[in-house]
Amino acid sequence: AQRVTQPEKLLSVFKGAPVELKCNYSYSGSPELFWYVQYSRQRLQLLLRHISRESIKGFTADLNKGETSFHLKKPFAQEEDSAMYYCALRPGGYQKVTFGTGTKLQVIP
Amino acid sequence: SQTIHQWPATLVQPVGSPLSLECTVEGTSNPNLYWYRQAAGRGLQLLFYSVGIGQISSEVPQNLSASRPQDRQFILSSKKLLLSDSGFYLCAWIPAGGGEAFFGQGTRLTVV
Repeated sequence: AQRVTQPEKLLSVFKGAPVELKCNYSYSGSPELFWYVQYSRQRLQLLLRHISRESIKGFTADLNKGETSFHLKKPFAQEEDSAMYYCALRPGGYQKVTFGTGTKLQVIP
Repeated sequence: SQTIHQWPATLVQPVGSPLSLECTVEGTSNPNLYWYRQAAGRGLQLLFYSVGIGQISSEVPQNLSASRPQDRQFILSSKKLLLSDSGFYLCAWIPAGGGEAFFGQGTRLTVV
């Protein structure tokens, strides 16, 4: 069975500090990994996906198959980054998408 | 462009009453459709997903059911609501070939 683990419910950092939101997954095959973000009073939306290998709003995430991790990183946090972040997994060839429990990022001015 | 509509935005229902939440998608065909429940500390719990008309996969045993009467319509129902059914319900769709999920605005259900 597929599983996504986000160990931190809340992560508080100061503005300008580096950010790392952790995500670990369990799946025996080759999954598709995503990060979704929900800003206050907005819909849940895609932030980035591992196959794109791009940086969005300064965030990057690298899929580490050896450690089964997909941590989200940003070198310098900004106040507007405060939001709820969800890691998600979709097994290759299947339609079931599993989300983690989410991490609330709080950037302190 | 593709859009997803979910309604109502908020709903207060008495225990034992029926439920019907509707989700429709525009601008795409044959989408994969999903119902999630979002709860603090529990993240997004997948309730049902559908890959086609009349095809429903249930993820967790519960007091709810789902139906897909049309290609772009996904309905979440209950015959008799329980207090524990209170929560925030999200509908989402993903293209048949995979990729990004697009979410509705959500429905805040309060069972009293």
